[in-house]
Amino acid sequence: KAGVTQTPRYLIKTRGQQVTLSCSPISGHRSVSWYQQTPGQGLQFLFEYFSETQRNKGNFPGRFSGRQFSNSRSEMNVSTLELGDSALYLCASSLATSGIGELFFGEGSRLTVL
Amino acid sequence: SQQGEEDPQALSIQEGENATMNCSYKTSINNLQWYRQNSGRGLVHLILIRSNEREKHSGRLRVTLDTSKKSSSLLITASRAADTASYFCALNAGNMLTFGGGTRLMVKP
Repeated sequence: KAGVTQTPRYLIKTRGQQVTLSCSPISGHRSVSWYQQTPGQGLQFLFEYFSETQRNKGNFPGRFSGRQFSNSRSEMNVSTLELGDSALYLCASSLATSGIGELFFGEGSRLTVL
Repeated sequence: SQQGEEDPQALSIQEGENATMNCSYKTSINNLQWYRQNSGRGLVHLILIRSNEREKHSGRLRVTLDTSKKSSSLLITASRAADTASYFCALNAGNMLTFGGGTRLMVKP
């Protein structure tokens, strides 16, 4: 079974631009969560989707948004990029239908904002 | 949102020794999970322990949970150089998992 796939793996953007990151979960997993990881703030929860519905959202500004498609693939978008958005963005999928069980993580998308 | 606090932040041991990491939290949880992350990579799930469980084992890993003290510990026995990584506890309350700051473990050969 293929693991969680995130694309692109690395990208460089400039301030003010926007970026879209993609995540393909493990086949059969309907829950997808997104996290931002930085040296200063650690791992911070962005949002979680299940069956195309956002079930939970972390404490991030509205510039951060996401969505999930009917095939469970998910995208997150960051608009008007700031230097502080430079981070490793991690996507994780889960088989659990209620609550959260074991998360399976992708390798992440490393975003650098110049 | 609640978050686990891990102790120590960094740990350096010799190969063959045991490593113990602790996680404390403040509110009720459904389950507590431990993950490992090699530098710059994705996280790998190690163990999930439910709130009604006190101890779980997986190979060289032993996790304990004390809900009265709101704390958990991860013990890695007979450590190997390949165990060098960051270890995170993650708290589940509802449909999200919140991660602690992690413990950086270095195992010297």
